[in-house]
Amino acid sequence: ETGVTQTPRHLVMGMTNKKSLKCEQHLGHNAMYWYKQSAKKPLELMFVYNFKEQTENNSVPSRFSPECPNSSHLFLHLHTLQPEDSALYLCASSQDSSTTAGGIQETQYFGPGTRLLVL
Amino acid sequence: AQTVTQSQPEMSVQEAETVTLSCTYDTSENNYYLFWYKQPPSRQMILVIRQEAYKQQNATENRFSVNFQKAAKSFSLKISDSQLGDTAMYFCAFIFAWDNYGQNFVFGPGTRLSVLP
Repeated sequence: ETGVTQTPRHLVMGMTNKKSLKCEQHLGHNAMYWYKQSAKKPLELMFVYNFKEQTENNSVPSRFSPECPNSSHLFLHLHTLQPEDSALYLCASSQDSSTTAGGIQETQYFGPGTRLLVL
Repeated sequence: AQTVTQSQPEMSVQEAETVTLSCTYDTSENNYYLFWYKQPPSRQMILVIRQEAYKQQNATENRFSVNFQKAAKSFSLKISDSQLGDTAMYFCAFIFAWDNYGQNFVFGPGTRLSVLP
């Protein structure tokens, strides 16, 4: 396996279910990200982990719970989701999440995404 | 496999000058959309411009324009009159399938653009 992988690729769940999305990177990176891409909306950054520590949480509802057990794995635990949470969830990784003095980030490599449908 | 390549990891340009960011992609699909996204230090992705693959005319959006070469699978972004606020990471992406529930995105690794005063 190379690059960034995500499982499952597709997921259908009810509002009372609990499920988890998994992301794994094989690039030796230290930072991992969760993004949400909804229909007709821009890509939204959800969480950032750097060296297993969460460094950013962009006002994401508590029904989304991230977990980063090590630098290679990132999970997104889902519970009591709403239909409006149906979206494409993208994982990305980079060498680290710091920025240079000029505010430039490291290159991010994206996974294929998980298509989530909440019924 | 669907892939997007951005061969320039980093670029810089003087303020007020023009810069072109390159992007090539590989797909067997015939119907798709292409995008350029900007990610400033805030990390929130901003859609810069998009192009429908079935349209021959290149998309333009104020100072941003694209050179879309479908046969060559090339989709470069030209930024005219560069401004300091254009400093960001730029991602090339395309959607190759979509339905009522969302789209399948494929992103390139990004190009870091610095606009110098």
